[in-house]
Amino acid sequence: NAGVTQTPKFRVLKTGQSMTLLCAQDMNHEYMYWYRQDPGMGLRLIHYSVGEGTTAKGEVPDGYNVSRLKKQNFLLGLESAAPSQTSVYFCASSYGGLKVVDTEAFFGQGTRLTVV
Amino acid sequence: KNQVEQSPQSLIILEGKNCTLQCNYTVSPFSNLRWYKQDTGRGPVSLTIMTFSENTKSNGRYTATLDADTKQSSLHITASQLSDSASYICVVHAPGYSSASKIIFGSGTRLSIRP
Repeated sequence: NAGVTQTPKFRVLKTGQSMTLLCAQDMNHEYMYWYRQDPGMGLRLIHYSVGEGTTAKGEVPDGYNVSRLKKQNFLLGLESAAPSQTSVYFCASSYGGLKVVDTEAFFGQGTRLTVV
Repeated sequence: KNQVEQSPQSLIILEGKNCTLQCNYTVSPFSNLRWYKQDTGRGPVSLTIMTFSENTKSNGRYTATLDADTKQSSLHITASQLSDSASYICVVHAPGYSSASKIIFGSGTRLSIRP
């Protein structure tokens, strides 16, 4: 039972390069999220999706784009990487229903991205 | 502004001792509050969830409390073990149909257990 899988686990980019982070979940969850985690700060929401074909901006969306072409996959793109995007990125998914138990988020193992 | 503040930022205790982590929030309206445990290099994992009507809930050596009137929660760890070394994150959910953007994370408490 894989849960939420992120690819890659580590990446070093040069300023201006582009890349795509892949998130895959096998729990048939409707909601998927991309967060970044920086030292001393809480997880901050970049973008999220409430279902296949939908995306929405979170708290810190600038410099990122996302796509949800398939329910199980949520892609995060950096078109032109900047040193300020050096961070650990976490993907998460949740059932998305209205019940309290549906709010539990399941996280991937994270992607450590360094932009030099 | 909806906020979740945790204290202390970091804590070091000896193995076998107890400790209590604090979470204060200003999120309103309030749906539920979760405590997550994040091991180094891993994603957070849910430990417990508290709803508006619940005061105390236990999960093994972890006991969470909630005072919805004062908007405070605590996570008490009993008889700490080395494996408890992790960051503990308080997460508050505000209700709403599209609740994906209404999840507010605290910055976490980094707990270190020393042998």
